[in-house]
Amino acid sequence: DQQVKQNSPSLSVQEGRISILNCDYTNSMFDYFLWYKKYPAEGPTFLISISSIKDKNEDGRFTVFLNKSAKHLSLHIVPSQPGDSAVYFCAASARSQGAQKLVFGQGTRLTINP
Amino acid sequence: DGGITQSPKYLFRKEGQNVTLSCEQNLNHDAMYWYRQDPGQGLRLIYYSQIVNDFQKGDIAEGYSVSREKKESFPLTVTSAQKNPTAFYLCASSIGATRTGELFFGEGSRLTVL
Repeated sequence: DQQVKQNSPSLSVQEGRISILNCDYTNSMFDYFLWYKKYPAEGPTFLISISSIKDKNEDGRFTVFLNKSAKHLSLHIVPSQPGDSAVYFCAASARSQGAQKLVFGQGTRLTINP
Repeated sequence: DGGITQSPKYLFRKEGQNVTLSCEQNLNHDAMYWYRQDPGQGLRLIYYSQIVNDFQKGDIAEGYSVSREKKESFPLTVTSAQKNPTAFYLCASSIGATRTGELFFGEGSRLTVL
């Protein structure tokens, strides 16, 4: 039962254009969402997050949009740069005691073409 | 520099052997985690620990064991009972009980069973 889904395994975008990565979730108890970026043979690094009480969070070239009614979030990267080529994971957490237990999507491999 | 160190980076094991993956952090984080990544799948939680001498099973704990004798260290043992151990293993930590804080990941250990 995949609670967090990234239905596009890969995405190719021209340098300078907008990259849009999508994520869907099924658990309405999720109230915090995060995006991680991962290069090959390295651990993921945190990129940006959003609370469920918001519908948009922006940090430089990166913007995350949340549509709670559709249980959908997206990450926009504009303008896209070659260094953005990586695998992007969407993750979600629910209110619970204790540690930060995240549920991750399958990842989307983004390739920025020069 | 503060961070998470995983070793070894690459490990080969014969079937039937137990192996232990090391994870050390100097971020003074209370919580530590082990995730497994397989191709085309998201990160799946194996075990996590919120405090020294305490740990809980994640979603795929069968065939794995952990210990948390020191705050800085959270080793993972992949036992011979793990049916399909070949994977990329990621250790992570977080500040503590906050559900909004991001995870900090190590660079990962790739285990191959021959």
